[in-house]
Amino acid sequence: GAVVSQHPSWVICKSGTSVKIECRSLDFQATTMFWYRQFPKQSLMLMATSNEGSKATYEQGVEKDKFLINHASLTLSTLTVTSAHPEDSSFYICSASGGPYNSPLHFGNGTRLTVT
Amino acid sequence: DAKTTQPTSMDCAEGRAANLPCNHSTISGNEYVYWYRQIHSQGPQYIIHGLKNNETNEMASLIITEDRKSSTLILPHATLRDTAVYYCIVRAPNTGTASKLTFGTGTRLQVTL
Repeated sequence: GAVVSQHPSWVICKSGTSVKIECRSLDFQATTMFWYRQFPKQSLMLMATSNEGSKATYEQGVEKDKFLINHASLTLSTLTVTSAHPEDSSFYICSASGGPYNSPLHFGNGTRLTVT
Repeated sequence: DAKTTQPTSMDCAEGRAANLPCNHSTISGNEYVYWYRQIHSQGPQYIIHGLKNNETNEMASLIITEDRKSSTLILPHATLRDTAVYYCIVRAPNTGTASKLTFGTGTRLQVTL
């Protein structure tokens, strides 16, 4: 149980275009999902907390107008990287929990974005 | 969230127990200790978590000191597939909703033949 699915697993896009990444909780409902970013040889950095039916909460330094998050249902959150630039190339990972506040977060397998 | 300190890297022979230490001397009374691991180019995988009692599951054991200022993750019989970066994370609970995980730099465990 507690499977989180991300799609696509990798994507290549041209500079200036937008890319949407989906995160689904397959066997549980998730009121809250989290989006992380990981650059090569670095740790995961939290970008934002996605709350179903309300606006996402962004971490300091993360541009909310560039990284659009939508959490329209209890099983789906999307991250859209708008007007992508090469420096946005990274590994994007989502996570979610289906239980009470101290239940483990389960992670998707990530999306590798390359902007050319 | 409380900060954790882990060794940068460790080696372990296949078949032997891997003991990964973590210091979290500023942990608060209601904060849990979580362990995750990340195999290259994959999302982190949950291993185990605990508050103050030792915990064991099919993957590992978690030993938390009585003062809760440090813990050790034990992989009883390491295999090559256990080669990964292991993250020790102290997580503060929210009320009602899931709380975030803040990742440090972790320990890179290399299991060798």
